[in-house]
Amino acid sequence: DAGVIQSPRHEVTEMGQEVTLRCKPISGHNSLFWYRQTMMRGLELLIYFNNNVPIDDSGMPEDRFSAKMPNASFSTLKIQPSEPRDSAVYFCASTLAGGIYEQYFGPGTRLTVT
Amino acid sequence: AQSVTQLDSQVPVFEEAPVELRCNYSSSVSVYLFWYVQYPNQGLQLLLKYLSGSTLVKGINGFEAEFNKSQTSFHLRKPSVHISDTAEYFCAVSDRGGGADGLTFGKGTHLIIQP
Repeated sequence: DAGVIQSPRHEVTEMGQEVTLRCKPISGHNSLFWYRQTMMRGLELLIYFNNNVPIDDSGMPEDRFSAKMPNASFSTLKIQPSEPRDSAVYFCASTLAGGIYEQYFGPGTRLTVT
Repeated sequence: AQSVTQLDSQVPVFEEAPVELRCNYSSSVSVYLFWYVQYPNQGLQLLLKYLSGSTLVKGINGFEAEFNKSQTSFHLRKPSVHISDTAEYFCAVSDRGGGADGLTFGKGTHLIIQP
């Protein structure tokens, strides 16, 4: 299995631009998580989905952030408009819901907003 | 609400020496505990997990951790470290198994192995 796939691996954009991060979970997994990692705040859960349905988005910092999961094999995290304080590494993870299973993390997308 | 505290942001250790990385948690319910490792420029990888049963948990790469409910701790240990163990280590907690719900992570401990 290829594992969790994230794209792009690196993104540099200017303040005010729209940014879309993409994630393909491991085939067969039905839970998907978006995390953000910064030096100041560490790893934070932004939102997670079970069976393509958003369950908890309380970690999404602002309305500028939105996430979708149109099908079991694809999810996006969008920031519009982006700001310099959004600069971070964004991780996607997937697992099997309904049990005690390991979360598998993707390699992350390093976002830099200038 | 649950939280995780990793008291040491950095731990320098000489190669082949033992190491302990500390983790304390707070939760109002029964918890499941995890240690993840992050190598430079990579995602997180599970080292070990405590769900129930024996309080001493063995994981990959020779690591182990002990769940201590009375001290609300889940410290990670390795009897002899190698240069390849240089990485960031994260303790995490979930009150529902870590699968169906998101994990709450500590700030991480950077393990630095000195030759």
